[in-house]
Amino acid sequence: GAGVSQTPSNKVTEKGKYVELRCDPISGHTALYWYRQSLGQGPEFLIYFQGTGAADDSGLPNDRFFAVRPEGSVSTLKIQRTERGDSAVYLCASSFGTGGAAEGYTFGSGTRLTVV
Amino acid sequence: AQSVTQLDSQVPVFEEAPVELRCNYSSSVSVYLFWYVQYPNQGLQLLLKYLSGSTLVKGINGFEAEFNKSQTSFHLRKPSVHISDTAEYFCAVSDPGGSYIPTFGRGTSLIVHP
Repeated sequence: GAGVSQTPSNKVTEKGKYVELRCDPISGHTALYWYRQSLGQGPEFLIYFQGTGAADDSGLPNDRFFAVRPEGSVSTLKIQRTERGDSAVYLCASSFGTGGAAEGYTFGSGTRLTVV
Repeated sequence: AQSVTQLDSQVPVFEEAPVELRCNYSSSVSVYLFWYVQYPNQGLQLLLKYLSGSTLVKGINGFEAEFNKSQTSFHLRKPSVHISDTAEYFCAVSDPGGSYIPTFGRGTSLIVHP
């Protein structure tokens, strides 16, 4: 597609439930990033994929969070046993090659997750 | 690890007035610097970036920023703002000697009044 697509755009779930958030990057972009943006804050790094592998997952807050990218394109962020503190906008970005600094990073519109 | 400070959480300004949004980063041997804009309910859009070379960087929508290594700053400026510039602006820094993953500031809300 022309841009980074994230689905769903909004997700409301009950505390304790499991959720999956999907990111479809720009075709050909090998690098993919997940960020979390809480209200009034800047995006906070979660995890970075280069191809199919997680090159850096140091931003994942705990073991309830997990992400996959099995074929090197679409990625899914998975959150188990959701808590109210997980409520945020989850942003996905993609770029060519490593780092993406030369082009910047193309962001999707995000998924707004609300845990009630 | 790099950190970014955006000193102003909110900047109100009248239409056609100049504006400066401030950004400071923690020191490093070298950095890549970015400004992103986020309109309501949209993703982040790259305004401009500094990788190397000229310290004055021009971006889209008439914005520019100046890299100042001695002051570790990368302030964003526009000589005359429009109502449509009302948005959230984020400064970001990445370490080309490290992971390249950008670290973002908390954002500055630019509010342009008619």
